[in-house]
Amino acid sequence: AAGVIQSPRHLIKEKRETATLKCYPIPRHDTVYWYQQGPGQDPQFLISFYEKMQSDKGSIPDRFSAQQFSDYHSELNMSSLELGDSALYFCASSLGLAGVVQFFGPGTRLTVL
Amino acid sequence: AQTVTQSQPEMSVQEAETVTLSCTYDTSESDYYLFWYKQPPSRQMILVIRQEAYKQQNATENRFSVNFQKAAKSFSLKISDSQLGDAAMYFCAYRSIPGGSGYALNFGKGTSLLVTP
Repeated sequence: AAGVIQSPRHLIKEKRETATLKCYPIPRHDTVYWYQQGPGQDPQFLISFYEKMQSDKGSIPDRFSAQQFSDYHSELNMSSLELGDSALYFCASSLGLAGVVQFFGPGTRLTVL
Repeated sequence: AQTVTQSQPEMSVQEAETVTLSCTYDTSESDYYLFWYKQPPSRQMILVIRQEAYKQQNATENRFSVNFQKAAKSFSLKISDSQLGDAAMYFCAYRSIPGGSGYALNFGKGTSLLVTP
């Protein structure tokens, strides 16, 4: 069965640079969630989208923005990167906001030098 | 806001034995979902088991079962016949129902499970 796809899988950036992370949900899934997992930490919710509209917002820095496109894929844009942004970024998808289970992608590991 | 607490940072179990991971949560909502996710060294987040709060029957998935005590706000995971492949970080997570306080997963800090031969 098709799973959530995230690209790139690994990304290395310098401080103050920008980064774009992409997420392709499971086919027919219209809801996407973004989570950030720092080293040794639990995943923290950043933002979610349903039918191309922002549905919920968590602890997402103002330097970050995200959107969901007509094909339901989503992109997380990160600007003015800081060392503390180094983390594993997960995308998860579900079928509708009422979809009980969120299926996670493999994550994008971002390293900021 | 809901909080999820996993009081055991690390646990160890011998192969073929049984281990129980603890999770408590705090919420004012009467209906919600609870989950256990497994994160092996690959860092992939894998759903182990889920429980709907309105269901009194404890969920079971093969060797994995939960003990859901709604009044005590407790949701422990029991792994029977432990296997080497069970070694991972286990996260307990809470999610509101539609119309509740949001749809994001709220995770505990995790319990690292070591399985010894």
